[in-house]
Amino acid sequence: EVHLLDSGGGLVQPGGSLRLSCAASGFTFSVYGMTWVRQAPGKGLEWVSSISGDGDSTYYADSVKGRFTISRDNSKNTVYLQMNNLRVEDTAVYYCAKDNKWEPPGYFEYWGQGTLVTVSS
Amino acid sequence: DVQMTQSPSSLSASVGDRVTITCRASQDIGKSLAWYQQKPGKPPKLLLSVASRLNTGVPSRFSGSGSGTDFTLTISSLQPEDFATYYCQQQYSIPPQTFGQGTKVDIK
Repeated sequence: EVHLLDSGGGLVQPGGSLRLSCAASGFTFSVYGMTWVRQAPGKGLEWVSSISGDGDSTYYADSVKGRFTISRDNSKNTVYLQMNNLRVEDTAVYYCAKDNKWEPPGYFEYWGQGTLVTVSS
Repeated sequence: DVQMTQSPSSLSASVGDRVTITCRASQDIGKSLAWYQQKPGKPPKLLLSVASRLNTGVPSRFSGSGSGTDFTLTISSLQPEDFATYYCQQQYSIPPQTFGQGTKVDIK
């Protein structure tokens, strides 16, 4: 059974940093792309970033480009989202999701439970 | 960038009603469209992929149609557990990989 466990959220001041993690199990991790999607309070879903199965290809939304970095460690079955220079508007629940194929874009059959990031002074 | 426009943004319906939600892409995306259902406090759940393929375990009252720029999600007979927010998502191009703005289905 596929499980995605996202963690690392919390309260951070504007300009601060956080690193989110998503630990995967139940499938051959290195064969699938992975994605981060966020949802601000009361708002819709926003795609944030995706990474290919081998980590060689990465993609970012314009709203986070240059501030966020997606990476993966296939030996640990974990994908990360390093978030720097955080802004108030980055406040959201962040979900990791498993792509249906090696190279994004794909669709997302499995999702983590979400981790809340709050950026506030 | 491919923009996705969903309509309506919300609707009120009764149990047993037939409900239709539409999603329009700003350019031809073939059948590269997925639909998700989300309930409060929960992650999204995949309903359909490639416009009309029902995901495992999803009830057959859910169906999808369309190709190119215009897509439809239909719930043939609304059940109490179907009250939720529904999103479309294009899987044609990246970046960005866009979602529609969502359609909230609530009880009339």
